Amino acid sequence: AQSVTQLGSHVSVSEGALVLLRCNYSSSVPPYLFWYVQYPNQGLQLLLKYTSAATLVKGINGFEAEFKKSETSFHLTKPSAHMSDAAEYFCAVSQGGSNYKLTFGKGTLLTVNP
Amino acid sequence: ETGVTQSPTHLIKTRGQQVTLRCSSQSGHNTVSWYQQALGQGPQFIFQYYREEENGRGNFPPRFSGLQFPNYSSELNVNALELDDSALYLCASSLRQGTYEQYFGPGTRLTVT
Repeated sequence: AQSVTQLGSHVSVSEGALVLLRCNYSSSVPPYLFWYVQYPNQGLQLLLKYTSAATLVKGINGFEAEFKKSETSFHLTKPSAHMSDAAEYFCAVSQGGSNYKLTFGKGTLLTVNP
Repeated sequence: ETGVTQSPTHLIKTRGQQVTLRCSSQSGHNTVSWYQQALGQGPQFIFQYYREEENGRGNFPPRFSGLQFPNYSSELNVNALELDDSALYLCASSLRQGTYEQYFGPGTRLTVT
């Protein structure tokens, strides 16, 4: 079985500040990990993915995430928040193989204050 | 290259009715997955189709059913609608092989009254 826990349902930062969104996963096999962003009334857009290559993954819009197997974590960071980063962020895990489903966390709403 | 499209955008139905939602996969993708996203929650996997056959199902009752067509478009059918079925329904397409990256459509907002 696989699961995802996102710590903090709401994170608020000031424009220009560091963004840190936390994600911990549980998986019985080496996981594939993803971060998606959802803007109001829209679908999900892939920010970045970890697929067993480099543990530090760079994505779009200046976001990056580091896979830490010992901590079963895949936290999302951005050095300097922009107003346009305000959205809901979802961490997801897939075990690949014959089971391609994505299991999502409950999401973290990011608010960016001017 | 066209992305994933879904129709309709919004839909209002009455409890007990049936509904069909449609999805057109991204060009070249052979796998489609459906997810239900209740308000304030993360998406939950309903089922996945590969080459017109169901390839995995989440914890949803049989009144949730689907179809995938030879052109890789897909339908999600829900019978005997319940109030709790009100949600955003997301379709995602992908390739069977590769890095399991799924591309999502904009979703269909279903309201059951």
